[in-house]
Amino acid sequence: EPEVTQTPSHQVTQMGQEVILRCVPISNHLYFYWYRQILGQKVEFLVSFYNNEISEKSEIFDDQFSVERPDGSNFTLKIRSTKLEDSAMYFCASSDGGTSYNEQFFGPGTRLTVL
Amino acid sequence: AQTVTQSQPEMSVQEAETVTLSCTYDTSESDYYLFWYKQPPSRQMILVIRQEAYKQQNATENRFSVNFQKAAKSFSLKISDSQLGDAAMYFCAYGTYKYIFGTGTRLKVLA
Repeated sequence: EPEVTQTPSHQVTQMGQEVILRCVPISNHLYFYWYRQILGQKVEFLVSFYNNEISEKSEIFDDQFSVERPDGSNFTLKIRSTKLEDSAMYFCASSDGGTSYNEQFFGPGTRLTVL
Repeated sequence: AQTVTQSQPEMSVQEAETVTLSCTYDTSESDYYLFWYKQPPSRQMILVIRQEAYKQQNATENRFSVNFQKAAKSFSLKISDSQLGDAAMYFCAYGTYKYIFGTGTRLKVLA
């Protein structure tokens, strides 16, 4: 069964460093998403991406964040200058459509620890 | 704005017994999906069950079933014959083009 994959599973970085979290969505999916879950809190929507453009972003997704689909298979989330409060689990998701009828499939997550 | 509320931070159930987790939501949309996700200690998000808002019939998946009350905007999850492996965080989510999650209910299963 096709699945969303994410690498690395755990990333440790120093405050102020740039990190890139990588996702490989399901191959025929066209809509991509990033969500964040701070430890002990709920999962929060960050951004949706379609046709090489951001469709929607939340208030959390400020200028420190960017997303990119650098090739036909990867979807990345970059944090330019990490802060302690960026420590969280980051989930990538993909779907074959952008409506409520198109289920989003979640990856296993990347745990980001900022020291 | 859409919101999802899970009022039970923690629940306990004896093995083989039945437990119900509550979820309410608020939306002005007519077409949407509702989901229950299980999150074990690995923190992976595992889809348990989903309900399409336009379907009146409650979804079931083996030991898991929902009670969907659209007018009341209520979406509870019933776990029958609870097993030790059911112990996890459970998140209710509302979905259109993005998902809105509740704060979760930690389920403990007692042997």
